[in-house]
Amino acid sequence: DVKVTQSSRYLVKRTGEKVFLECVQDMDHENMFWYRQDPGLGLRLIYFSYDVKMKEKGDIPEGYSVSREKKERFSLILESASTNQTSMYLCASSRTTGSNQPQHFGDGTRLSIL
Amino acid sequence: GIQVEQSPPDLILQEGANSTLRCNFSDSVNNLQWFHQNPWGQLINLFYIPSGTKQNGRLSATTVATERYSLLYISSSQTTDSGVYFCARRDTGNQFYFGTGTSLTVIP
Repeated sequence: DVKVTQSSRYLVKRTGEKVFLECVQDMDHENMFWYRQDPGLGLRLIYFSYDVKMKEKGDIPEGYSVSREKKERFSLILESASTNQTSMYLCASSRTTGSNQPQHFGDGTRLSIL
Repeated sequence: GIQVEQSPPDLILQEGANSTLRCNFSDSVNNLQWFHQNPWGQLINLFYIPSGTKQNGRLSATTVATERYSLLYISSSQTTDSGVYFCARRDTGNQFYFGTGTSLTVIP
């Protein structure tokens, strides 16, 4: 079974802090994704990566950056956390080969910015 | 971008009832998934179904790619079926597009 692991289930940080959310997958997937989920808005893509050191902006990249130094790990960085970044963050991974590869999700991180 | 619409947005069922959730797409489907997000926030893969019909226990899904929609059927619903159901499709650039979900509450 594919395993996507997010480092924290719950996280509380203060405004202005630099926040790192970590995601690791164990199936050698090329693609990794970061989403945030807010009530009434569904899942919105922040960034995705299709290879090591490669990244693409999603729908809402402002205020975030990402890092993919190794294939199995994709980090989401909040450079200076703000209260409007309080949300549920979900990491996912998938294979690239063909367009018929499903996406697998981690358990999510509930981030609160005070 | 690709539009993904789900209906209904909210659904309340009596335990034992059946239901159908719908997902419409703005363009042709070549990759579609259904997910269930449980009350603890975990997203669980239900089906990968770009076309045709699949069944898994009380759940089944049908995608009619030529008409740009997919249906998720839940039969004999149980309280553990409560949560939010999402459909998502993938474009040729590996990006996934999600609907806003159907929130299901099954009452005993």
